[in-house]
Amino acid sequence: DAKTTQPNSMESNEEEPVHLPCNHSTISGTDYIHWYRQLPSQGPEYVIHGLTSNVNNRMASLAIAEDRKSSTLILHRATLRDAAVYYCILRDYQGGKLIFGQGTELSVKP
Amino acid sequence: GAVVSQHPSWVICKSGTSVKIECRSLDFQATTMFWYRQFPKQSLMLMATSNEGSKATYEQGVEKDKFLINHASLTLSTLTVTSAHPEDSSFYICSASGGIGNTIYFGEGSWLTVV
Repeated sequence: DAKTTQPNSMESNEEEPVHLPCNHSTISGTDYIHWYRQLPSQGPEYVIHGLTSNVNNRMASLAIAEDRKSSTLILHRATLRDAAVYYCILRDYQGGKLIFGQGTELSVKP
Repeated sequence: GAVVSQHPSWVICKSGTSVKIECRSLDFQATTMFWYRQFPKQSLMLMATSNEGSKATYEQGVEKDKFLINHASLTLSTLTVTSAHPEDSSFYICSASGGIGNTIYFGEGSWLTVV
């Protein structure tokens, strides 16, 4: 399974945008980039996923580098409820399992 | 998004007994379900993958005789921790795929404490 690298932690101020980076230099052509987040004592929550083009949904935006070796999850206006561990995971297009790394712990200051 | 539900949310059992955790996909048919465990301050560790009607595939190092997984229908998978010991105390999380776009959705998790 191709590996991803994320910063251990990041801080943000409430109502400001947050850019969470992810490196995946060994990504294969058939790997989708998935993002999940996990609040304390809860199961992970699906955030967004993409293959090559940038993606937007009601929760976030995903910006994918042209060479696909990195991506950035963008939260446009952080709220206190966005404080969580964010995981960037590669998943084969055929729909394989999700292997979690350490993720980025995002803290949001009021 | 799709809903995956786990039951119970938390359970306390005595050492040596067995405990069953259920995972249900409520609004889609889950062709594949996954079971994870998570220790405090650590990431999720995949234990096994199960497809409806077939035997589960366990990850390396996971004892299949201790963690029994049954995926009897397209909406239900169960994890049974047999002869539980205190070191089995953990947060167990299931997930399921098979809905729109084959996205994987997670349950709320189940806390197991073995005393």
